Amino acid sequence: AQSVTQLGSHVSVSEGALVLLRCNYSSSVPPYLFWYVQYPNQGLQLLLKYTTGATLVKGINGFEAEFKKSETSFHLTKPSAHMSDAAEYFCAVSEGSNDYKLSFGAGTTVTVRA
Amino acid sequence: NAGVTQTPKFQVLKTGQSMTLQCAQDMNHEYMSWYRQDPGMGLRLIHYSVGAGITDQGEVPNGYNVSRSTTEDFPLRLLSAAPSQTSVYFCASGGTGSNYGYTFGSGTRLTVV
Repeated sequence: AQSVTQLGSHVSVSEGALVLLRCNYSSSVPPYLFWYVQYPNQGLQLLLKYTTGATLVKGINGFEAEFKKSETSFHLTKPSAHMSDAAEYFCAVSEGSNDYKLSFGAGTTVTVRA
Repeated sequence: NAGVTQTPKFQVLKTGQSMTLQCAQDMNHEYMSWYRQDPGMGLRLIHYSVGAGITDQGEVPNGYNVSRSTTEDFPLRLLSAAPSQTSVYFCASGGTGSNYGYTFGSGTRLTVV
């Protein structure tokens, strides 16, 4: 079974500052890892995913994440925050291509200060 | 637009009532799932399906039933609504291979009074 821990339920950043959202996972097999974003009263939108290959994954809206197996981490970053980045972010894990049971972290709400 | 369609968007039920949340996808995905979202708990898997006629339980299945008679549709039935089932429900469908990953619907906000 897999599990996900997101460190920090709320993160506040200044516009133009680095956004760093932390995600650690546990999995008994090589994981597939995801970051989703949820804007108020909307569904979840995929930001990026890691399945196999390059461990640095680039996603939409300038976000990227790096899979570090030794640290069981998949932290999400964006060099320069924009007001439109204010949302809730979820990290999720599955146990590979034949497993569609996603396990989600509790979520991190990002606020962006002008 | 292609995607996952959920109806209704909002629903208020009285305790003990039953209802069905509808979910349809037009991407020919084999995999479909239902999740519930509660504050501070992320999304938790209720039921999932790996194809027509095949369903299985997720993390929080009690009080819910599903069936999958076609590839496109995956309805979620609440048998006897309870206040603990007040939540936001998301349906998702999953592609395979290079398209691996779920597409989520816009959600159904359910309140049980």
